[in-house]
Amino acid sequence: AQSVTQPDIHITVSEGASLELRCNYSYGATPYLFWYVQSPGQGLQLLLKYFSGDTLVQGIKGFEAEFKRSQSSFNLRKPSVHWSDAAEYFCAVGSYNTDKLIFGTGTRLQVFP
Amino acid sequence: GAVVSQHPSRVICKSGTSVKIECRSLDFQATTMFWYRQFPKQSLMLMATSNEGSKATYEQGVEKDKFLINHASLTLSTLTVTSAHPEDSSFYICSPQVPGEAFFGQGTRLTVV
Repeated sequence: AQSVTQPDIHITVSEGASLELRCNYSYGATPYLFWYVQSPGQGLQLLLKYFSGDTLVQGIKGFEAEFKRSQSSFNLRKPSVHWSDAAEYFCAVGSYNTDKLIFGTGTRLQVFP
Repeated sequence: GAVVSQHPSRVICKSGTSVKIECRSLDFQATTMFWYRQFPKQSLMLMATSNEGSKATYEQGVEKDKFLINHASLTLSTLTVTSAHPEDSSFYICSPQVPGEAFFGQGTRLTVV
């Protein structure tokens, strides 16, 4: 079955600390992977995406993600978190042609000063 | 990137009434539009896929007679929630099919009272 798992429902970090949000996927075809951020009451903002090429992908706001095929993972990282990063983060998987996405359940990030 | 305009952004309606949500692609033509919904504190789930000039396809568990989708042109897809009930309160968001991309509208927060 096709699915996306975000094991961490809620993560709390101090401002300036590093961050890693986990994402594992199960997908029958070549996966097209995305990370989105959603602030309370807002829509989705694309942080980064991966389809092929360099497995380390750079995104906006200082985020990066690494695709590891052997582990079926696409973890999101940021070296130093800012208070404004507090939000809900969603990992999603699709295929290049259909673009119908399967979303993970999300990880809520809380940042303490 | 592609610009997708979704209206309204927020709507409050009385139980039993209908609400129409519009999703417009402003700078490209979308043959296919995906409609997702997100219940409070949950992830996004695909509801249906609309195709220009043909009937929409619905995901399992989504009532096609309740959620009417019209995709009459390549730039406009609409979702009408008919006879809305409080349990239909959700965040609805559209996404046009663009190979290799995954753009989203701003979303519509529906509250049924």
